[in-house]
Amino acid sequence: GENVEQHPSTLSVQEGDSAVIKCTYSDSASNYFPWYKQELGKGPQLIIDIRSNVGEKKDQRIAVTLNKTAKHFSLHITETQPEDSAVYFCAAEMDTGRRALTFGSGTRLQVQP
Amino acid sequence: NAGVTQTPKFQVLKTGQSMTLQCAQDMNHNSMYWYRQDPGMGLRLIYYSASEGTTDKGEVPNGYNVSRLNKREFSLRLESAAPSQTSVYFCASSVLQGAGEKLFFGSGTQLSVL
Repeated sequence: GENVEQHPSTLSVQEGDSAVIKCTYSDSASNYFPWYKQELGKGPQLIIDIRSNVGEKKDQRIAVTLNKTAKHFSLHITETQPEDSAVYFCAAEMDTGRRALTFGSGTRLQVQP
Repeated sequence: NAGVTQTPKFQVLKTGQSMTLQCAQDMNHNSMYWYRQDPGMGLRLIYYSASEGTTDKGEVPNGYNVSRLNKREFSLRLESAAPSQTSVYFCASSVLQGAGEKLFFGSGTQLSVL
C-alpha cells in the first residue's frame, strides 16, 4: 500500500516568515495530493490540493508544489500569521476507485507573534 | 448547516466494555469514513462506506465494526474495548470537488480505555 512520510514534525517560525512542509510518497500510482489543516479541538479541514498532472498550485498565501519524478510534494505558507498555527497533514490517494487517503504523520506549526 | 456531527465528544471505557460511536452528515454525501488519530501517526482509516449499503475495511479495521444505517448515518462499534483503542476518532464524509475527493470531518470523539 501507499506510505506517506512528512517532515518536519514540528516547525516554529516568526510571524511574517515563510514555512515549508515536505512529504514523500511511495506509490507512483498516487495522483491526488491534498493538504489538511487541523486547529485545536477540531477536525481537519482541506486547505489546498493538487493532481499529478499539475506541478504547482497557489491560493493566496499558500501553495503546493509536486515533483512526480521524485515522488515528493510540499506546502509553502508565505507571510505567516498567528492564525496559521495548527497541525498540517499531507495525504496521497490512488485513483483506483477505492477512495482511501493515506495521511502523513502531521506537522505542528507554531507562528510566534 | 451542521455538516458532520459526532457523538459523544468524550468517553471513558473499561477494558472489555462495548460502545457505539455515532456519526451523521447533512450534506447528502455518498461516501463516509471512520479514522483514528494517534500522536505521531497521523490519521489512519478504520472503515469506509462508498455508498449506502456498502462498507469496506481500511488500514486498521481489527476490533471494530461499522453500520451504514442510511445515507446520513455511519456508526462505529467497539465490541470489546482494549487499551490500544485509546485514540481520537473522526468521522468524515466526502464529495468529489475540483481536483479530487474532499473530506469533511466531524469534531472528533476522544476515547480512553482503561
